[in-house]
Amino acid sequence: GENVEQHPSTLSVQEGDSAVIKCTYSDSASNYFPWYKQELGKGPQLIIDIRSNVGEKKDQRIAVTLNKTAKHFSLHITETQPEDSAVYFCAASIHGGSQGNLIFGKGTKLSVKP
Amino acid sequence: DADVTQTPRNRITKTGKRIMLECSQTKGHDRMYWYRQDPGLGLRLIYYSFDVKDINKGEISDGYSVSRQAQAKFSLSLESAIPNQTALYFCATSDYNGQGAGGYTFGSGTRLTVV
Repeated sequence: GENVEQHPSTLSVQEGDSAVIKCTYSDSASNYFPWYKQELGKGPQLIIDIRSNVGEKKDQRIAVTLNKTAKHFSLHITETQPEDSAVYFCAASIHGGSQGNLIFGKGTKLSVKP
Repeated sequence: DADVTQTPRNRITKTGKRIMLECSQTKGHDRMYWYRQDPGLGLRLIYYSFDVKDINKGEISDGYSVSRQAQAKFSLSLESAIPNQTALYFCATSDYNGQGAGGYTFGSGTRLTVV
């Protein structure tokens, strides 16, 4: 089955710097890659996603890139702010037929220092 | 009101007790999930349901059971709670329709402590 590895497990940056979180997946049939942000005391919330027919997607300060050949995808946060501090999860799934369950990475705790 | 509501938010129970965690959703989604979150282990799937009559075990179903009472309601039970079931539990829904759709919508979680 699918396996998703996420690195690093913790990341500390200064406010204004960029942060990059990387994930690799094992099943080449995976075609949907969402990212979730979990703030303290809350459930994970979808912040951006990408499908396998595109290589990059941006939404203001966040972007996700996908390299299907290497089977890895990354989350990029620019101009980080203290409110970006949270745990981030990547996930992968196969969309089509009876599939669709997400397989999650183990999470990255991002700390943005003022 | 929240799209996915979990009750209770916090619960302390004793070893050996039966406990039920409840989840209800107003999203109208067919698929519902129960996850467990432990520090450093991420989100692990306990059970999932594609509709009222379709319930499936996840990777860590031992010691847990579920009931899908209606499209909107999916409850998780611990028949005889043990301390290593102390964790944060999340319910989630998905609007996946077999043709590709968005991701999951999570509830706010239930923090369960077994003493």
